[in-house]
Amino acid sequence: GENVEQHPSTLSVQEGDSAVIKCTYSDSASNYFPWYKQELGKRPQLIIDIRSNVGEKKDQRIAVTLNKTAKHFSLHITETQPEDSAVYFCAASLAGGYQKVTFGTGTKLQVIP
Amino acid sequence: GAVVSQHPSWVICKSGTSVKIECRSLDFQATTMFWYRQFPKQSLMLMATSNEGSKATYEQGVEKDKFLINHASLTLSTLTVTSAHPEDSSFYICSARDLQDRTNEKLFFGSGTQLSVL
Repeated sequence: GENVEQHPSTLSVQEGDSAVIKCTYSDSASNYFPWYKQELGKRPQLIIDIRSNVGEKKDQRIAVTLNKTAKHFSLHITETQPEDSAVYFCAASLAGGYQKVTFGTGTKLQVIP
Repeated sequence: GAVVSQHPSWVICKSGTSVKIECRSLDFQATTMFWYRQFPKQSLMLMATSNEGSKATYEQGVEKDKFLINHASLTLSTLTVTSAHPEDSSFYICSARDLQDRTNEKLFFGSGTQLSVL
């Protein structure tokens, strides 16, 4: 089955700096890669996703890059703000309603004001 | 985005009792729902895939007789933790995809249920 590794496990940045979280996946058939943000005690919220036919996607301060050959993808957050502090999970799956999603181990991001 | 409602948000029960958790898709239909378990400061571990009108598919190591899943309609899936024990204490969270979503990729989560077994 799919295995997703995520690094780092914790990340502290100064407000205004950039944060980068990296993930690798094992199943070359995976073609959908979402990123979720989870605040303490709350549900994971989808913040951005990318499909395997795209190398990069950006949404305001958030961007995701995908390298299919190397089987890794990264989340980039620019101009970080204190409200960006949360746990971020990467995930990988095949597209399709019944396909299960495998999550990475999570990165706790702390943005220091 | 699509809304997934999960109840209860927290429950405390005695060891040996059963607890039922409901997961509803409020504004969309979901043939498939997923049940995850999350320990503090850890990732989401898939327990089982709930399929409307058929048996659930359980991940390796998950006891199907202990974690009963019923998916009776396109908008409701339930997880029953039977004969709960303290080691079953955890955050349980469901998720679903919108059948009407053309790409059918985005996974929407319920708000989770914190189960504490005394």
